[in-house]
Formats: sequence, C-alpha cells, structure tokens
Amino acid sequence: DTAVSQTPKYLVTQMGNDKSIKCEQNLGHDTMYWYKQDSKKFLKIMFSYNNKELIINETVPNRFSPKSPDKAHLNLHINSLELGDSAVYFCASSQHGTSYGYTFGSGTRLTVV
Amino acid sequence: GNSVTQMEGPVTLSEEAFLTINCTYTATGYPSLFWYVQYPGEGLQLLLKATKADDKGSNKGFEATYRKETTSFHLEKGSVQVSDSAVYFCALLISSGSARQLTFGSGTQLTVLP
Repeated sequence: DTAVSQTPKYLVTQMGNDKSIKCEQNLGHDTMYWYKQDSKKFLKIMFSYNNKELIINETVPNRFSPKSPDKAHLNLHINSLELGDSAVYFCASSQHGTSYGYTFGSGTRLTVV
Repeated sequence: GNSVTQMEGPVTLSEEAFLTINCTYTATGYPSLFWYVQYPGEGLQLLLKATKADDKGSNKGFEATYRKETTSFHLEKGSVQVSDSAVYFCALLISSGSARQLTFGSGTQLTVLP
C-alpha cells in the first residue's frame, strides 16, 4: 500500500543513453513533483504538475521531459544522459489547498558512467 | 524570493544529548513550515509542521515553534537516540495560485553516537 512509488530504485547507465523513471501515487492527490537531490543532499524542484498540467518548470535542461498521463502518474524521461545528471531523483505528491506538505517516494539513484 | 537557511552540519552528538538545529526563513506572505527527515537510503518523511505563527509542531519527541518575529523554526529534541541519525531538512510552503512549491533548506546531517 505504498503511497508514492518510484521505479526503478537504482539506475546505472552510460552517457548518451535515454532513460525513464516512473512515479505513481495512490493518495488521490492532484499535484505531483520531481525533485533532484545532489551529492551534498541539496534538494531542488524540477517540475510540478497539477491535474496533468505543467505548473512549475524550473531551469532544467530540455533533455528532461516530464509526462503525466493522468493525475496519479508523473514520469520523467531523460535524453542523452550526462555525467552531471547523476543524482537521486525524488517524486512527490500533494493536494492543492491543504497545508499537509508533500508525500515523497523513496527515490531513484541515477548513476551515469 | 522564498528561502530557507539551516545551520550547517554535520552535527555529532552523544546519545541522550540535547539537539537544536537552527532554521530561519525568508518568505513573501505567510508560509507553512515543515521539518522533514531522511534516513540513510530512504526518501523524505514529514517529521512535523506548523501552519501559523506561534504554532508548535511535535512528533517523536521533536518540537519546533513557528516564530514569526524572528522568522525561525528551530528543531529541538531533549534526548537524542542513535536511531535519530539522519539528515534533517527545514522547508517552507507558500501557495501561489496553482503553483505550490516546497522550498528546502540545505539539510543538516545528524549523527548520534552510542
């Protein structure tokens, strides 16, 4: 009964490859997010979707493309992977209009070699 | 803009010591404030929250009080345990139309030694 689930948990790939990370939430939340955590543990928002519409798109290379087929899913596709993309990527969800904060997935550790 | 500043770590304490992790914020409007905890190899878990001035959030022996006059939300625990070893993040949330964005501090690594 995982609330926010991400797959895969670990992803090791070569430079130049294209990969996807999937995220699903079963909380009935209307907003989903992708965060990137670097090696120093700093968390930075990348994207936010509300009811399948993009509402936050921070300064992220256009090699990163989020896709939200429905409000329970927000996938992250990354083209032409670079060494600097190595990080932990967290998916999260929340319900707009509440102050409950976000519920996070357990993260996907991406290593580009 | 909105920002959160946390005391830099790492913090190393002996078991049963008193813990304070400082957090101050800058925000336009009236944010909700949060502490999240990240145990090794895991995602972030909500530890406690406060939604308005003078509110005190508490959970698992941790407390933090929303101080509007000092724009602070310091995390405290009277007696830490080895199991409290983790990274702690202070965060604020402001709703702006449909764009709600949780802004995090840089995180503070806590290690508790037996």
